[in-house]
Parts: sequence; structure tokens; C-alpha cells
Amino acid sequence: SAVISQKPSRDICQRGTSLTIQCQVDSQVTMMFWYRQQPGQSLTLIATANQGSEATYESGFVIDKFPISRPNLTFSTLTVSNMSPEDSSIYLCSVESQDNYGYTFGSGTRLTVV
Amino acid sequence: QKEVEQDPGPLSVPEGAIVSLNCTYSNSAFQYFMWYRQYSRKGPELLMYTYSSGNKEDGRFTAQVDKSSKYISLFIRDSQPSDSATYLCAAGFNYGQNFVFGPGTRLSVLP
Repeated sequence: SAVISQKPSRDICQRGTSLTIQCQVDSQVTMMFWYRQQPGQSLTLIATANQGSEATYESGFVIDKFPISRPNLTFSTLTVSNMSPEDSSIYLCSVESQDNYGYTFGSGTRLTVV
Repeated sequence: QKEVEQDPGPLSVPEGAIVSLNCTYSNSAFQYFMWYRQYSRKGPELLMYTYSSGNKEDGRFTAQVDKSSKYISLFIRDSQPSDSATYLCAAGFNYGQNFVFGPGTRLSVLP
């Protein structure tokens, strides 16, 4: 399975600022996925990032708030913009596994907005 | 009604017990089902996936899908303290499309 390096692992940010989360995969992948995991709640898909095209956002998530870059087949970033305490959550990137029909996740970024 | 529901626990069992973790889902068109294990401060890792109804076994783990009742289960035999984690179920229409996750059940296996 692919190995995903995600950073930062955690951060505490001031409201109104932005944080960019990076996701590096050790192999080329077509699609990369960004999820949010709020305490006690389900993993929620934010958007799907394809190389060379605009990311596809799920209902309730917009590009102005969560801009995504996908410059090549091994890397993606998610920015959480103009943060508020409600954005405090764990953010995870994910790719399709090549060998087991599942998905491989990064270790997550634990974001606290104060 | 949420698309995938799961008792959040926490569930505590003694070492060696058989653990039963369950989810229900609302969309009868779901065909793919997965179970993930998530240790604290880590990302979820795939345990098992199943297609349509039936059972699938992998070592101490058995995944079971009953599409008639829209019920999915994960059984852990001879549970170990290292099994202590949050277990997430997920359901979807097709591999490669958006899967819907349950909120997870937190399991503690006590030595």
C-alpha cells in the first residue's frame, strides 16, 4: 500500500488565519481525498483532488474556504482559510489503495483554532 | 436519519472475549462495505472490505453483511489489548466513489 506523509501533525492557530496542510504520497496516484474528522462524528469527505483539474467539493464545502492544490501525482495541499473555532478538527488525506480495494489514510492533522 | 449509524461506545471487554461491532445503513444501493481501525492520533487503516452480502474472514476478524436488514458487523475473536482502538464502518456504491463512514465505536480490551 501507498505510504502517506502528512504535515503538520498538529497546530494551534489564531482565528482569522489560514493553515496549509501538506500530503505527500510515495507513489503516483490519480485521486487524492481530503477528509475532516470532528470529535465523535463521522469522517466527512471535503473534496477529491485530481491532478491537472479543479478539485471536486462535497456539499457544504467550498473552494474559498478550503482551497486545494494538486500540482503532481504525488502531492496535494489543503488550506483551511479564515479559520474559526468551528474549524477545529482532524484533517486527513487519503488515496485509493492499489492492492486491497480500500483507502490508505495519512496520520492526520489535528487543528485547534483559538 | 444518517446514512451509516454506529454505536459510539465506549465498549470495554476483557482480554480473550469475542467482540461484536455493528453498523446499520439506510441506502439499499450500497454494495461495498469496509471496516477500518483507528488508533489514537493515527489515521484509519483498512481491516476488511466486503462486496454485497456474506461473510469474510481474516485471522481473528470476520466481517458480515446482511443486505436484507442493512446491517454490517465485525467480529473479533480472542480479543487482545492491542485491539483497543476506534472501529469505523463505511459503505459505498462503487470503489473509487465517496464512501459514507459511521462515527466509529471506541473499543477497549482490558488485560
